[in-house]
Order: sequence, then C-alpha cells, then structure tokens
Amino acid sequence: DTEVTQTPKHLVMGMTNKKSLKCEQHMGHRAMYWYKQKAKKPPELMFVYSYEKLSINESVPSRFSPECPNSSLLNLHLHALQPEDSALYLCASSPVADYEQYFGPGTRLTVT
Amino acid sequence: QKEVEQNSGPLSVPEGAIASLNCTYSDRGSQSFFWYRQYSGKSPELIMFIYSNGDKEDGRFTAQLNKASQYVSLLIRDSQPSDSATYLCAVNAQGAQKLVFGQGTRLTINP
Repeated sequence: DTEVTQTPKHLVMGMTNKKSLKCEQHMGHRAMYWYKQKAKKPPELMFVYSYEKLSINESVPSRFSPECPNSSLLNLHLHALQPEDSALYLCASSPVADYEQYFGPGTRLTVT
Repeated sequence: QKEVEQNSGPLSVPEGAIASLNCTYSDRGSQSFFWYRQYSGKSPELIMFIYSNGDKEDGRFTAQLNKASQYVSLLIRDSQPSDSATYLCAVNAQGAQKLVFGQGTRLTINP
C-alpha cells in the first residue's frame, strides 16, 4: 500500500487566519516532504523531514511553519498568508530521502 | 544550475501507438530517475523509477536510462486515451534528498 493521505482536500482562508494542513502515511517511510504547485508548473519543494528532523528548508517564508510530530505525521501551519500563496499543497513520503517519493492527493488552498 | 529539460509538448499520439517522452539532465552526479504522471487537477503519481543504465519495463511502460548521454526516456506502448496526462521527469543526486523536476510534457492520446 503506497498511500499518503492529506486533509483537508480544499481550504479557503483569509489573510489573517491561522490554519493547518495535515499529512499522514503508514508505510514506515522515514522521509516526508511538503511541496507547493501552481497551475501548469512542476511541484516546488518547500521542506524535507528526514527521521523526523527538518533537513531542508528551501528559503520558505516564515508564514509557513512545518511540524513533524512523529514518523507518520507531517503538518504545515499557515499564518498571515498572501493571495499569491494560493496553490495545490502536496505532501510526499519516501522510504528514506533519495528514494522514490509517493505523493498524497494534495490540499487545494485559496487565500482571499 | 542543476536542470532537467523536457519538451513541454503538447505531444499528440494516436491510440494504440507508442508514445515516447524524453528528458535530459545537466548534473552528472544524478543517481536516481523518476517518471510521474499527473492528470489535470490531481497529484503526481509515480509510474516508473530507474537507477541503472539500460531499460526497465513495467507493463506497457519502459524507462530507458543513458547516463553517458545524460538522457532518460519513457516509452508507453499501446497508448490509451487514459494515458493522456502531463508526464514529469524527476532526477535526484545522491545525498541531495530532493528531486529536481522538469517542466513536464503534456501528452494527448487521440482515439
């Protein structure tokens, strides 16, 4: 089973709101990722967690705050977002970093 | 600048024919190569990965890797309308912990 789940599927938030995206996998994978994808563009890496430690932050603005509570869960906390942050947010996992990545279905975020 | 190049298409192929998707990469240290299929509005789905030079077959899909030429391709045999999607090539350098994606090739299979 190569399933990564993400909630919610859709999220609309105002620029002053605080919300969180959740990602879960039960494949025993030890690397998890957050990506942002705009229409007709490839996924753009935001963060990498390896063995529950943040190993890569691709210079993401501080209004995005990742958290890895345990090896199965990954959260992305959102605060004071801008309309240009509207995108599809994808979570992925891999057995360990450098191996094949499996994507979740994504959260479609709209910032108003 | 580590880059992955794909022809953006659209690539149009008749049903039942072979679709050939190509990808070149600039980083000679690249070790792992992946093909993802993405339907409009959906997330990328891993369809093939290849680590060694040569061919790797899985059903109607064949991935081909030539590290000397820095070239990886995906062949889809007996193309079906359901294969119509954007195909993303991704490359990983050992120890990099991240994928570098090409811009994707939009493939249309015509009935």
